Amino acid sequence: SYELTQPPSVSVSPGQTARITCSGDVLPDHYSYWYQQRPGQAPVLVIYKDTERPSEIPERFSGSSSGTTVILTITGVQAEDEADYHCQSADSSGVPWVFGGGTKLTVL
Amino acid sequence: QVHLVQSGAEVKRPGSSVKVSCKASGGTSYTYSISWVRQAPGQGLEWMGGILPLFRITNYTENFQGRLTITADDTTNTAFMELKNLRSDDTATYFCARVQMAIPFWGQGTQVTVSS
Repeated sequence: SYELTQPPSVSVSPGQTARITCSGDVLPDHYSYWYQQRPGQAPVLVIYKDTERPSEIPERFSGSSSGTTVILTITGVQAEDEADYHCQSADSSGVPWVFGGGTKLTVL
Repeated sequence: QVHLVQSGAEVKRPGSSVKVSCKASGGTSYTYSISWVRQAPGQGLEWMGGILPLFRITNYTENFQGRLTITADDTTNTAFMELKNLRSDDTATYFCARVQMAIPFWGQGTQVTVSS
């Protein structure tokens, strides 16, 4: 089982907005992270420290938080965004980690 | 930007051990943590354990207590994950991740196959 809860799947049409939620009691006290993972590849960090975006990640990816829920928002979804998305949480020391079960984003 | 390179794929017999390395380069800092994460075929990500090298503190999940050892060598910027008494359900891709200033950097993954 996973300590963070994500929906198993989310489907959107190209150009629409996708929102993927992640819930867990630890989230108000710890940083949250989001990873994109395509089949056969390593996870790629898309959001760190709740709302920060690595410079190489497109601006359409954003993160937000409210209490025990964090949200990954992809504005103007593109076909290339189809992938699994994993949320993760960790305290400031970096250890330990907890993960969500992952959400498969399908671009219709 | 920190770059992590892991050792190559392994095929192991049940009951044996595997040791995977993870070498960091570029932009490394003195204060960091290392975590190991695995992903079984078709499954999600599972945190196995981690180490805070500065304090020599390790933290393992209950699932791996007694079988898992994580170490770090500051002189070579290399971390290691050793898993003993391998079982078929340990077949997975194993990832290392180094966290500096609350930013994680991941290795490319190491496929470990356990088969008789």
